[in-house]
Amino acid sequence: DIQMTQSPSSLSASVGDRVTITCQASQDIIKYLNWYQQKPGRAPKLLIYDASNLATGVPTRFSGSGSGTDFTFTINRLQPEDIATYYCQQYDKLPPAFGGGTKVEI
Amino acid sequence: QVQLVQSGAEVKKPGASVKVSCKTSGYTFSNYGLSWVRQAPGQGLEYMGWISAYTGETNYAQMLQGRFTMTTDTSTSTAYMELRSLRSDDTAVYYCARTASTTVNRFDPWGQGTLVTVSS
Repeated sequence: DIQMTQSPSSLSASVGDRVTITCQASQDIIKYLNWYQQKPGRAPKLLIYDASNLATGVPTRFSGSGSGTDFTFTINRLQPEDIATYYCQQYDKLPPAFGGGTKVEI
Repeated sequence: QVQLVQSGAEVKKPGASVKVSCKTSGYTFSNYGLSWVRQAPGQGLEYMGWISAYTGETNYAQMLQGRFTMTTDTSTSTAYMELRSLRSDDTAVYYCARTASTTVNRFDPWGQGTLVTVSS
């Protein structure tokens, strides 16, 4: 099975900061990588699909990049409502696998 | 709009079974698949399985094989998951999420989650 390693596991930033999260796959997953946001007590929400495509209705301060084994998720100009845990997820091979999550705090 | 509405919280004893429903609306049910993902308290997301509402094809996470079954009812656009021989470490929030009809790609959108508590 493909393993997804996400870092850092948590971070603290200020409103207006740029926040970067990385996700590394244990093997080449081409571009088959999604990013989700999960706020406390809520279901996850898709933000980015296929490594760099913004899901419908998602603010443009969120972005993703990468291919192969190394991927990056960025929040430009962090907002208070961005406090959440973020997960990457690969779907190149079954079973799909999630990273361990990154908790973003202000 | 696309909505997935799950059944309510459950409390079960070890060894029992639980069945959770996921009623969908706002899209053509048979054009997509449904996946199940669970999240233990304070933990990350764990894939459980996928079912195509079009073909009935399934994929189960190996660790749950034999205890976990997914079904769909196209007449009511509802998906179901049943987990048997429950253990305390099955305590989690269980989510359904829409995925592609032919395989698992992205999970979008998600149901609101169903808390299953396993306790004696």
